[in-house]
Amino acid sequence: DQQVKQNSPSLSVQEGRISILNCDYTNSMFDYFLWYKKYPAEGPTFLISISSIKDKNEDGRFTVFLNKSAKHLSLHIVPSQPGDSAVYFCAPDFNYGGSQGNLIFGKGTKLSVKP
Amino acid sequence: GAGVSQSPSNKVTEKGKDVELRCDPISGHTALYWYRQSLGQGLEFLIYFQGNSAPDKSGLPSDRFSAERTGGSVSTLTIQRTQQEDSAVYLCASSLETRATNTIYFGEGSWLTVV
Repeated sequence: DQQVKQNSPSLSVQEGRISILNCDYTNSMFDYFLWYKKYPAEGPTFLISISSIKDKNEDGRFTVFLNKSAKHLSLHIVPSQPGDSAVYFCAPDFNYGGSQGNLIFGKGTKLSVKP
Repeated sequence: GAGVSQSPSNKVTEKGKDVELRCDPISGHTALYWYRQSLGQGLEFLIYFQGNSAPDKSGLPSDRFSAERTGGSVSTLTIQRTQQEDSAVYLCASSLETRATNTIYFGEGSWLTVV
């Protein structure tokens, strides 16, 4: 079973509007959540994260919301720009000292922002 | 360099041949990960190394795949008797042992095409 699901494989948004990318997870022990962004022909790069002690983390145009009871998080991009067009991966993690094992990623959502 | 370095960046090989993909992690990073992304698919975990611990090989798709990490640094992913379904971009990443606050850093990938 997938521990992390990104149910929308693709999303198309008009420039200037809000993009909302969703992620669901199954393991309630996850307490740290990462979003990565990947352009074609490049490796993924870290975008934003949130600890489970928070329900919101904002960084410029990017905000991640966490709903622990629903085991759901979302990434909001506003206003969306054409340069945001990429694949976005959600990765829930464990935030404790020592080895944390492998990091599992969702299948990703391909965002297309149209001018 | 300062980032994760992978080689070759592109490899075209004939079906049935063996290939080796190399990863140089960021200096001081004890954790090393291999993922692959097939066309239109998400990030698929392959194998994870952490320090001197036994690697987590649970993601390797078949016994044709193997990986080693020498001296706790450079890693080589070997695919024997390549098949067309092995065509993908193979991504290496590294992190500090405790990655939650440090994230993991990806290389740009090795693009493998099996013809």
